[in-house]
Amino acid sequence: EPEVTQTPSHQVTQMGQEVILRCVPISNHLYFYWYRQILGQKVEFLVSFYNNEISEKSEIFDDQFSVERPDGSNFTLKIRSTKLEDSAMYFCASSGPEGDNEQFFGPGTRLTVL
Amino acid sequence: GQNIDQPTEMTATEGAIVQINCTYQTSGFNGLFWYQQHAGEAPTFLSYNVLDGLEEKGRFSSFLSRSKGYSYLLLKELQMKDSASYLCAVPLNYGGSQGNLIFGKGTKLSVKP
Repeated sequence: EPEVTQTPSHQVTQMGQEVILRCVPISNHLYFYWYRQILGQKVEFLVSFYNNEISEKSEIFDDQFSVERPDGSNFTLKIRSTKLEDSAMYFCASSGPEGDNEQFFGPGTRLTVL
Repeated sequence: GQNIDQPTEMTATEGAIVQINCTYQTSGFNGLFWYQQHAGEAPTFLSYNVLDGLEEKGRFSSFLSRSKGYSYLLLKELQMKDSASYLCAVPLNYGGSQGNLIFGKGTKLSVKP
């Protein structure tokens, strides 16, 4: 069964460093998303991406965040200068041509900022 | 804006039935999702309701009342592996956006033997 994959599973970084979180969505999906979940808190929407551009972003997704689809398979989230409060689980998700039904989530990347 | 409320925790016994409620307030409505999330894992899709009524899928059923802004997830014949958080979610309703989900805080269900 096709699945969303994410790398790395864990990332530890120093405050102020740049990190890139990688995702490979399901191959025939057209809509891509990033969510984050701070430990013990709810899943929060960050950004959605369609047709090679951002379609929506939340207030969390400020100028230190960016997304890119550098090729036909990868979808990345870059955090330019990490802060302690960026420590969270980051989930990538994708959905099919209709885009408004089931979203398939990847296993997540646990980011720890020291 | 969007607001979603669901109980924080529930406990039930193996083999029993449990109902997890969710109330929501949204500026528009584009369906309601239920996801299951085991500790340390990603959310996995359980159900999507856009019309009023009950949708049954094996041991899990989901109900929606749009006029009341209310949904519930019904789990029958509970098994130990059903111990997880159950997340109620609604899509944002911006123009042509597709399904950016706003999640509730989740209901942590503990199934006891």
